Amino acid sequence: AQSVTQLGSHVSVSEGALVLLRCNYSSSVPPYLFWYVQYPNQGLQLLLKYTSAATLVKGINGFEAEFKKSETSFHLTKPSAHMSDAAEYFCAVSFTGGGNKLTFGTGTQLKVEL
Amino acid sequence: DGGITQSPKYLFRKEGQNVTLSCEQNLNHDAMYWYRQDPGQGLRLIYYSQIVNDFQKGDIAEGYSVSREKKESFPLTVTSAQKNPTAFYLCATEGPSGRNSPIYNEQFFGPGTRLTVL
Repeated sequence: AQSVTQLGSHVSVSEGALVLLRCNYSSSVPPYLFWYVQYPNQGLQLLLKYTSAATLVKGINGFEAEFKKSETSFHLTKPSAHMSDAAEYFCAVSFTGGGNKLTFGTGTQLKVEL
Repeated sequence: DGGITQSPKYLFRKEGQNVTLSCEQNLNHDAMYWYRQDPGQGLRLIYYSQIVNDFQKGDIAEGYSVSREKKESFPLTVTSAQKNPTAFYLCATEGPSGRNSPIYNEQFFGPGTRLTVL
């Protein structure tokens, strides 16, 4: 069965510092991987997705993620945090390119401090 | 204005009452999904529908029911059999993203309904 683990339910960074949110996956077949962002009391918005085309994936708002098969990881990074990045971030995995039946991680709450 | 509408934003019900959450879309997407979100647990799939008049149970379907009579609508009923219904409920559709190359489907989420059972 497929699953994702997000290390750290809460991450705090200073404004301008590197953002690193961790995601490890478990899958018996090549996965499709996604990162979503959720602002308070809103739905989820897709940041980026890995669909085997390239291991380094660039998304919206300056975020990117690198697929590392040897480490079964898909960590999300941003070089310089902004106050507007404060939100909850979810990693998700699917087998199909259609995003069918996504399995979500438990989420990481990102706090950005002045 | 294209998108997914969930109404109402906040819903309060007494214990033992059935309640129906609305999800409407004008994206012309065939597939629709219902998720439940609880603090610290991420999103869990309740039901999904790949096409009109067809739907399947997700991981936590007990105590819930759905219908898919129209492409645009996928209402979720939370029944009195659901033991802990207080949660944030998210509806999603699946369709082409058009944002990246190559184009693959992605899930688009509505704004959610927060249900509180008193």
